[in-house]
Amino acid sequence: AQSVAQPEDQVNVAEGNPLTVKCTYSVSGNPYLFWYVQYPNRGLQFLLKYITGDNLVKGSYGFEAEFNKSQTSFHLKKPSALVSDSALYFCAVRDSNSGNTPLVFGKGTRLSVIA
Amino acid sequence: EAGVTQFPSHSVIEKGQTVTLRCDPISGHDNLYWYRRVMGKEIKFLLHFVKESKQDESGMPNNRFLAERTGGTYSTLKVQPAELEDSGVYFCASSPLQGRREQYFGPGTRLTVT
Repeated sequence: AQSVAQPEDQVNVAEGNPLTVKCTYSVSGNPYLFWYVQYPNRGLQFLLKYITGDNLVKGSYGFEAEFNKSQTSFHLKKPSALVSDSALYFCAVRDSNSGNTPLVFGKGTRLSVIA
Repeated sequence: EAGVTQFPSHSVIEKGQTVTLRCDPISGHDNLYWYRRVMGKEIKFLLHFVKESKQDESGMPNNRFLAERTGGTYSTLKVQPAELEDSGVYFCASSPLQGRREQYFGPGTRLTVT
């Protein structure tokens, strides 16, 4: 069975500092990995994905994530946090061999960027 | 292009009542998914349509939930009768049948059963 773990319920970071939101996963085959963000009173917005190729993936709003197969991790990073990055972040996984199957999500991590 | 839309944005109903949620996917997207997030927990899969057919409904909690997708366009999710544990945010997502693999999510419907 597929699963995603986001070990931190809350991450606090000062504006201008680098941020990391952690994600580890478990799938039987090769993973497709995704990050989504939910701003207050909004739906989930796609940030970035890893399908294949370079382990470092760049996405929207200056975010990037690094796929680490040996550690089964896909941590979300940004070099310099903005107050506007404060939101709820979800990591999700799908097995690459399973067609258009649904995503399996983590519990979410609330990021708070303090001015 | 217009995004995924959901209606209503909020619904407050009493236990035992019926509620119908609607999702309009992005035009041309054959895949349509329903998910639910109970407060503070994971977003969990409910079911998956490919066009008008139910591809996977393994996540549906019980037979009080009924989903339809008429003509392969919009979808409805009916809860009848609603129970307290049905409260949560119901998300709809769509994606093309082939090609890009991310799913596009709607804003969600917040359902509160009192």
